[in-house]
Order: sequence, then structure tokens, then C-alpha cells
Amino acid sequence: QAVVTQEPSLTVSPGGTVTLTCGSNTGAVTSGHYPYWFQQKPGQAPRTLIYDTNNKHSWTPARFSASLLGGKAALTLSGAQPEDEAEYFCFLSYSDTFVFGGGTKLTVL
Amino acid sequence: EVQLVESGGGLVQPGGSLRLSCAASGFAFSGFSMTWVRQAPGKGLEWLSFISGTRGDGTIFYADSVRGRFTISRDNAKNSLYLQMTSLRDEDTAVYYCASESPRGGDWFYYWGQGTLVSVSS
Repeated sequence: QAVVTQEPSLTVSPGGTVTLTCGSNTGAVTSGHYPYWFQQKPGQAPRTLIYDTNNKHSWTPARFSASLLGGKAALTLSGAQPEDEAEYFCFLSYSDTFVFGGGTKLTVL
Repeated sequence: EVQLVESGGGLVQPGGSLRLSCAASGFAFSGFSMTWVRQAPGKGLEWLSFISGTRGDGTIFYADSVRGRFTISRDNAKNSLYLQMTSLRDEDTAVYYCASESPRGGDWFYYWGQGTLVSVSS
């Protein structure tokens, strides 16, 4: 069974840069996993920041970017803002199943 | 305005059944794929099930954790998505969200509902 791994927690300073990663126990994450990144704030439903590896929505702040890096999917936040403090989940597609990562709690401090 | 409104959650005993509904409005529901996701209290997201819309081929997928116990369906005439849940377990306690595909495709989770809480306990 596929397991998707993320850093449990990360801290970034305001204005700083941080990279969150998303790995798979089945091997390297590729564009064929169609990686997503979601942001969730307390008491709210998640929302998609990135889909299909690096595609953004109109609401995705430009300071977020995504890529494949070292066999993992990566979400980079450049110029962190206080409002970016949230939990971030990645999501990978396998042939007939789909798995969320455990989430990364990002603190802006 | 696009809205997804889940309902049907509540308290149920282990082994019991429940049917969740997701009422959609503000978009052409029938064409869009729909997904159920849950989140146990204080935990992460868990993908549960997917059903394609009329733009797709009728595909349905289930997570291993619910396959054989949960059934996803949709009634396009009523703009509604359903999740029939049977043989419920304590570990099924969670907020259940429905999500819909983006109008142009590519994102399965473009719109989200606010969630409905299911509590499984004796």
C-alpha cells in the first residue's frame, strides 16, 4: 500500500524561504503522480494551491511554487507571510488509488 | 455562486450505517467528477472515493480502507452526490468533505463543502 511522507512540522521566519517535500514509499515521485498541494487553516476546508505538479489557481499566491526535486514533489514558499501559517498536505495519484500525505504544520515565526 | 453542502452526518453505533449527501449548486454538476475526503479529529486528510461525471467514463475508485463498506453514487437530476456507509467502525469518526472537479478539468478538488461530522461510538 502506498504511503506518502511529509515533514511533520517546519518553521520559517517571516520573509524567509522554506521547502516542503512529499515522498512516496513506492519510489520517486514523478509527474505521473499528478502531485497536488493543499493548504488548510484551522476550522476550514482545505483548498488546492497546486495541482498536476506545478499548476496554480488564481488564488494561489505567487510566493508559492512547486516542482519535482530529488525524487520528491516539493512546495517552496518564498517570502513567507504570517497568513501562510497553516497545515499543508500533498496528494499523489497511483494507478487506481490516491493518497494524501500526513501533512506538514508550517509555523511562521 | 457555487456551493457544496454536505449533510447526513451524526452519531451512529459501531456496525451501523449512514448515508451522506452532498448537494451541489451553481455549476453544471453532472459533468464534473466528485470526490469524498475525510478528516479524523486532529488528523490529516484521507481520500475515500471518486466518481467521474458525464465528461468521464463512469469510473469509480475507492480507498482500501472503505472498499466493500462504502458506496459512492450520484443523482445528476438532483445535483447530488452520496456516500452510503455501512459496517461503520470507531475509526470512521471524522469530518466528511465532498469536493468537485474544476470547470476546466485538471483539479479534482476545486470546490469543497464545509464538511459533515460522523461520530461512530457506542
